[in-house]
Amino acid sequence: GAVVSQHPSWVICKSGTSVKIECRSLDFQATTMFWYRQFPKQSLMLMATSNEGSKATYEQGVEKDKFLINHASLTLSTLTVTSAHPEDSSFYICSASRDSRTPGNTIYFGEGSWLTVV
Amino acid sequence: ELKVEQNPLFLSMQEGKNYTIYCNYSTTSDRLYWYRQDPGKSLESLFVLLSNGAVKQEGRLMASLDTKARLSTLHITAAVHDLSATYFCAVGYSSASKIIFGSGTRLSIRP
Repeated sequence: GAVVSQHPSWVICKSGTSVKIECRSLDFQATTMFWYRQFPKQSLMLMATSNEGSKATYEQGVEKDKFLINHASLTLSTLTVTSAHPEDSSFYICSASRDSRTPGNTIYFGEGSWLTVV
Repeated sequence: ELKVEQNPLFLSMQEGKNYTIYCNYSTTSDRLYWYRQDPGKSLESLFVLLSNGAVKQEGRLMASLDTKARLSTLHITAAVHDLSATYFCAVGYSSASKIIFGSGTRLSIRP
């Protein structure tokens, strides 16, 4: 079964509202999680690194005030898309590994969350 | 800045044929991953390659890594329709779990 779970799987929201996506590691603690965004027929783009107990590290070009990341516990990271607009509609995927310090350690991906902003 | 390029972007092939997908990356890395993605779904891990010359095989898929050339290949042998999907390579970057994805190769296998 899944070891990294995302919720919700699908969400439709109105323009201008905020929406929160959760990423949970189910049977291990993850000090680091990663958030990706994937537009239709495109690759996964790394948005940010979520660090437990500290601020997230954002990739170049990703607005930190728009995509709020909170990693309040060792098993949960949340991504909040604030003031969402139709161009934010995308597939959002998180990932985590049991030991982020070991190269080659299995990286688990969540099931993904489809966001549609209308 | 790490860049990962896949080639080709789209591939349509007949069942029973062989083909290779290429993944080039721009800077030194200690790990390379191959994933499969079906439409509307998340990623399925296929291979993790950690050392120069590493070769791994699973069914009709075989992956290899040449760290000196910064090149990985995913070889498909005697393709079957069930292998139709998008295949991504991804390269490790910075911390052990941070990876950067290639553009993906959309593979369509026809009877």
